[in-house]
Amino acid sequence: DGGITQSPKYLFRKEGQNVTLSCEQNLNHDAMYWYRQDPGQGLRLIYYSQIVNDFQKGDIAEGYSVSREKKESFPLTVTSAQKNPTAFYLCASTKGTLRDGANVLTFGAGSRLTVL
Amino acid sequence: AQKITQTQPGMFVQEKEAVTLDCTYDTSDPSYGLFWYKQPSSGEMIFLIYQGSYDQQNATEGRYSLNFQKARKSANLVISASQLGDSAMYFCAMRYRAGSARQLTFGSGTQLTVLP
Repeated sequence: DGGITQSPKYLFRKEGQNVTLSCEQNLNHDAMYWYRQDPGQGLRLIYYSQIVNDFQKGDIAEGYSVSREKKESFPLTVTSAQKNPTAFYLCASTKGTLRDGANVLTFGAGSRLTVL
Repeated sequence: AQKITQTQPGMFVQEKEAVTLDCTYDTSDPSYGLFWYKQPSSGEMIFLIYQGSYDQQNATEGRYSLNFQKARKSANLVISASQLGDSAMYFCAMRYRAGSARQLTFGSGTQLTVLP
């Protein structure tokens, strides 16, 4: 079955360390997104990519970096510059772009990052 | 500014009864879309229903219906015949124009608990 795989599901990091969250999709989707979720809040967009080798900053990109070298993969690096990285991170994808009518985000199961 | 407001942090409903989850939005974009997602305790976001701003009829998907009142800028989710498996966090989201792209903004969510 097609879907989005995020790994690891749980991750612990010491302050000052960079960490990379993996996101792989086999849906042949064009666009991919990273969202952050904090308790009691909705999702906030970190980065998105509509095509390979191109990506755009979302609302809260500071302290994060991404790459899109392959259509299937969109890894997110949480750098030491991110002041409060403890959160739940969700990766998503769409076939076209969100411009296209009812084009729906498909989500992965998420990665929970805790900074010790 | 684009904004989604969900004013009910938590809701309780008896099994087999109907429940309405509130969502109001604010946008100056005449072309927008409204989505509802369900997030079980496992964390994955599950798409439920979509309403486009130009759609004349309210959207329905099985037990889910969207009560779209454009003049009031509300897009409430109605779940009929609640089941125990409906217990989850529910998010309302709006697609809006951001420059040349489209983005989603999410509300803070409503935690629904279905009682046996």
